[in-house]
Amino acid sequence: GAVVSQHPSRVICKSGTSVKIECRSLDFQATTMFWYRQFPKQSLMLMATSNEGSKATYEQGVEKDKFLINHASLTLSTLTVTSAHPEDSSFYICSASSPREPYEQYFGPGTRLTVT
Amino acid sequence: GQNIDQPTEMTATEGAIVQINCTYQTSGFNGLFWYQQHAGEAPTFLSYNVLDGLEEKGRFSSFLSRSKGYSYLLLKELQMKDSASYLCANMDSNYQLIWGAGTKLIIKP
Repeated sequence: GAVVSQHPSRVICKSGTSVKIECRSLDFQATTMFWYRQFPKQSLMLMATSNEGSKATYEQGVEKDKFLINHASLTLSTLTVTSAHPEDSSFYICSASSPREPYEQYFGPGTRLTVT
Repeated sequence: GQNIDQPTEMTATEGAIVQINCTYQTSGFNGLFWYQQHAGEAPTFLSYNVLDGLEEKGRFSSFLSRSKGYSYLLLKELQMKDSASYLCANMDSNYQLIWGAGTKLIIKP
């Protein structure tokens, strides 16, 4: 149990275009999902917390207009990187919080975004 | 403030035992988590401690002392596949995980 899928696994896009990443909890309902970014050899950086049916809570320094998050159902959250630039190239990982204590997070496999 | 400290890198020998320490200072406490992350992959959940003491799960054990703000992950009978980063994370009063920078564990034959 506790499987989280993420799509696509890799994407290459041109500067100025937008990219949508989907995160799904396959066998449980996730009220809360999280979006992280990780640069090479660095730690996970939380970008935003996504709650089903409400607006996402963004961490300080993360532009909400650039990184659009939609959590439309208990099993799906999407992250759209708008007007992507080369500096947005990174490993984006979503996680879904277990609905029961201890509310551990289960991670998707990640999406490697390269902006050319 | 909130702070999680763990060593940047450790090296151990195949078949041996290694202990990865983690100290934390966070606002509120709802558990201490350990995750494993292989290079280029997402983290996977290893263990969770909310009460003081040792939790054993096969070759991996995790220990917690809440009074000391201290945890460790113990890996026994090390295998080459255990080469990975090990992330310590504290769940704060808002049920949000505060992550350490991770400890890169290098296993040598």
